Amino acid sequence: NAGVTQTPKFRVLKTGQSMTLLCAQDMNHEYMYWYRQDPGMGLRLIHYSVGEGTTAKGEVPDGYNVSRLKKQNFLLGLESAAPSQTSVYFCASSWGLGFSYEQYFGPGTRLTVT
Amino acid sequence: DQQVKQNSPSLSVQEGRISILNCDYTNSMFDYFLWYKKYPAEGPTFLISISSIKDKNEDGRFTVFLNKSAKHLSLHIVPSQPGDSAVYFCAASARETSGSRLTFGEGTQLTVNP
Repeated sequence: NAGVTQTPKFRVLKTGQSMTLLCAQDMNHEYMYWYRQDPGMGLRLIHYSVGEGTTAKGEVPDGYNVSRLKKQNFLLGLESAAPSQTSVYFCASSWGLGFSYEQYFGPGTRLTVT
Repeated sequence: DQQVKQNSPSLSVQEGRISILNCDYTNSMFDYFLWYKKYPAEGPTFLISISSIKDKNEDGRFTVFLNKSAKHLSLHIVPSQPGDSAVYFCAASARETSGSRLTFGEGTQLTVNP
């Protein structure tokens, strides 16, 4: 089992460019999440999904969109990248409510917007 | 509004001694708490958790203590080993209102010196 994988690992964008980050999990988890990690701020939730075809806003959703067309994949999109979106992005997945609340994380994507 | 705070950005201890990492929270609805460990260039990995109905949970060298009246939890690592050097994140969930969503603290960099 690969667990949670993220593509790409690194990316440099110019301001205004767009990109999509891909997250895939092979644990049949119902829930998936996108976080960003910035120095001194821990991990902040961007968007999450409680099942295929559903998405919801987290703590810092502005400037991002997501889609969950397949249960195993969760995509994070930046339509017009800004320098403030320079960060490390982590995807995570977990079982549904009533099960363990442990989230399993991918290795991260380091994004720089110039 | 930082609902989960780790006030010590860094902690340095000698190998074999005890490491104590602290975490404070403000939201009284939090009823489940987790600790994650993160090595550089990797995603966070789950370490140990505790439900609000308990005040202590132990797993090998790791023990988490919860003081609900003080809204404080701590992670004890005994004995500390150089391989424990990592960033430790405290996280909390309000299961009734927020389901599986986690709120993370800023993290504490633990360095264990040989």
